[in-house]
Amino acid sequence: GAGVSQSPSNKVTEKGKDVELRCDPISGHTALYWYRQSLGQGLEFLIYFQGNSAPDKSGLPSDRFSAERTGGSVSTLTIQRTQQEDSAVYLCASSLTGPTGLFFGPGTRLTVL
Amino acid sequence: QKEVEQDPGPLSVPEGAIVSLNCTYSNSAFQYFMWYRQYSRKGPELLMYTYSSGNKEDGRFTAQVDKSSKYISLFIRDSQPSDSATYLCAMIFYGGSEKLVFGKGTKLTVNP
Repeated sequence: GAGVSQSPSNKVTEKGKDVELRCDPISGHTALYWYRQSLGQGLEFLIYFQGNSAPDKSGLPSDRFSAERTGGSVSTLTIQRTQQEDSAVYLCASSLTGPTGLFFGPGTRLTVL
Repeated sequence: QKEVEQDPGPLSVPEGAIVSLNCTYSNSAFQYFMWYRQYSRKGPELLMYTYSSGNKEDGRFTAQVDKSSKYISLFIRDSQPSDSATYLCAMIFYGGSEKLVFGKGTKLTVNP
């Protein structure tokens, strides 16, 4: 498996619960992005990690959202106290060459009931 | 006004047709322009990217950028049913953000 992998592929949760979404980037890729894709909407930037630099968190929609990247590899996106409007497909992408060479994972489809 | 506008379609064409997909943008600082293809229930995959105004060709696909009009296009020649997907334009400017800004995507169906 040389591609970006994400888990779980689907997640159904109840309003108010916390969820964790995982991303395994391509080995050696220093840049890692999280995007959100809602029905009828384009991809919405959430957060960007590049090497050991401080992440760009400017796209996180509220303080209920957080993300970390451990050891420069695996990343976890955490959503606390989920709301129905958080329902979307959460996409992770990694890159070796910057934003012109993003490889996306298959996404995690989150449904908040 | 959103930074990137893209007609969501849907667009339905017969096999063999020439397809034209378009995006307009408002930020003249955008420098790199990309087209992604996204099949249902999959992540987007990069088709092409261009830097300057003009045309770039790759097989049946041609990307066109007109910076003076802030308009980009993707042409698909001899369209095939396997081209049925959502096509997303994306763009970025360096020297500031490393974030791609995406259009909403155009859903294309090529009928055999």
